[in-house]
Amino acid sequence: DAGVIQSPRHEVTEMGQEVTLRCKPISGHDYLFWYRQTMMRGLELLIYFNNNVPIDDSGMPEDRFSAKMPNASFSTLKIQPSEPRDSAVYFCASSIQVDTEAFFGQGTRLTVV
Amino acid sequence: KQEVTQIPAALSVPEGENLVLNCSFTDSAIYNLQWFRQDPGKGLTSLLLIQSSQREQTSGRLNASLDKSSGRSTLYIAASQPGDSATYLCAVDEGNTPLVFGKGTRLSVIA
Repeated sequence: DAGVIQSPRHEVTEMGQEVTLRCKPISGHDYLFWYRQTMMRGLELLIYFNNNVPIDDSGMPEDRFSAKMPNASFSTLKIQPSEPRDSAVYFCASSIQVDTEAFFGQGTRLTVV
Repeated sequence: KQEVTQIPAALSVPEGENLVLNCSFTDSAIYNLQWFRQDPGKGLTSLLLIQSSQREQTSGRLNASLDKSSGRSTLYIAASQPGDSATYLCAVDEGNTPLVFGKGTRLSVIA
């Protein structure tokens, strides 16, 4: 398996534009997590899914953020409209169980100007 | 709410030195503790996972210890090398919950 795959690796967009981040988890992993990393706040959990169903989205900062997992091999995190304070590195991770070893993607570095 | 703190935030040591990175957590009711490594511009790589019933785990030059009752863990790196330079993150879960991360310790090993 190639590990957790995220795209794009880098995204630069103008304020107000819609941004869609993509993630392909490791095959056979039932849990998928979206994290955001900033210098100030470190790694924060945004939302996680179990078997494609969102379990906890309390970390999603605002209604501008939404996440979907239409099938076991694909998830998206969408920001609409984007704002400069959304600039961060967004990580996707997957695991077999919620509390077993988590495998992270390379991240998407988002810059909103 | 669980909070994880890592001290120091940054550390610079000469090559060959043994070093200790610290992690503390506020709620001792954890299930697992993990140490991760993050290289600049990269994702996180899991180094060691300690279950709450364990006291320590070892992998090569790395040794992680866990004192659950006091809410502390340490990551010991023996004979440090420039290739060890990275950010090291500590994370805990409380069983059936996702990981809660510290902000990490940025390590620089000088040749």
